[in-house]
Amino acid sequence: KQEVTQIPAALSVPEGENLVLNCSFTDSAIYNLQWFRQDPGKGLTSLLLIQSSQREQTSGRLNASLDKSSGRSTLYIAASQPGDSATYLCAVRPGTGGFKTIFGAGTRLFVKA
Amino acid sequence: GAVVSQHPSWVICKSGTSVKIECRSLDFQATTMFWYRQFPKQSLMLMATSNEGSKATYEQGVEKDKFLINHASLTLSTLTVTSAHPEDSSFYICSARVGAKGLAGSYEQYFGPGTRLTVT
Repeated sequence: KQEVTQIPAALSVPEGENLVLNCSFTDSAIYNLQWFRQDPGKGLTSLLLIQSSQREQTSGRLNASLDKSSGRSTLYIAASQPGDSATYLCAVRPGTGGFKTIFGAGTRLFVKA
Repeated sequence: GAVVSQHPSWVICKSGTSVKIECRSLDFQATTMFWYRQFPKQSLMLMATSNEGSKATYEQGVEKDKFLINHASLTLSTLTVTSAHPEDSSFYICSARVGAKGLAGSYEQYFGPGTRLTVT
């Protein structure tokens, strides 16, 4: 059974710092992995999607990596800003291409001005 | 990418009333949609799979008579929380499966922004 774990559960950093959020999954047979942002009381915003054949994706100050063999993904945020404060969710779609996406519990990030 | 919308984005209702949440695929046809639920500080969990023109498939532990799903068209699925109670307060998100296989050889799915339900 696929399980997705995100560490740390919460993180507080000063503005400008580079940071890494971690996601691990127990079954390496995945179709893709997706990182989302969720603001308090708001919906999901897709940040980056990495297909199983890819090793990383980049968008602006965000970089997500995927190491299937070790069951890990990292989301790197460069030069953090207060506006980056949100919960970041990692989600894994099963390798069969099915749709029972498994979500991690998220990392709550707070960037202090 | 394809866009999935949900309406309303948030709703407050009184205990005992029913609430309907809509999920729409805006620029593509979705034969299959999925409903997820997120309790505070917990992960999103799949509730049910909604198939156009047929009955929904519910995950274990989800009450089908309480969470009514109707997928009446290729662009719309609705989730109705019947006789809502405070414990039904949650964040509900839908996703939609694109009708044709993508380059990766499977169907892509896109998530809606979610609906926050508060039952008082």
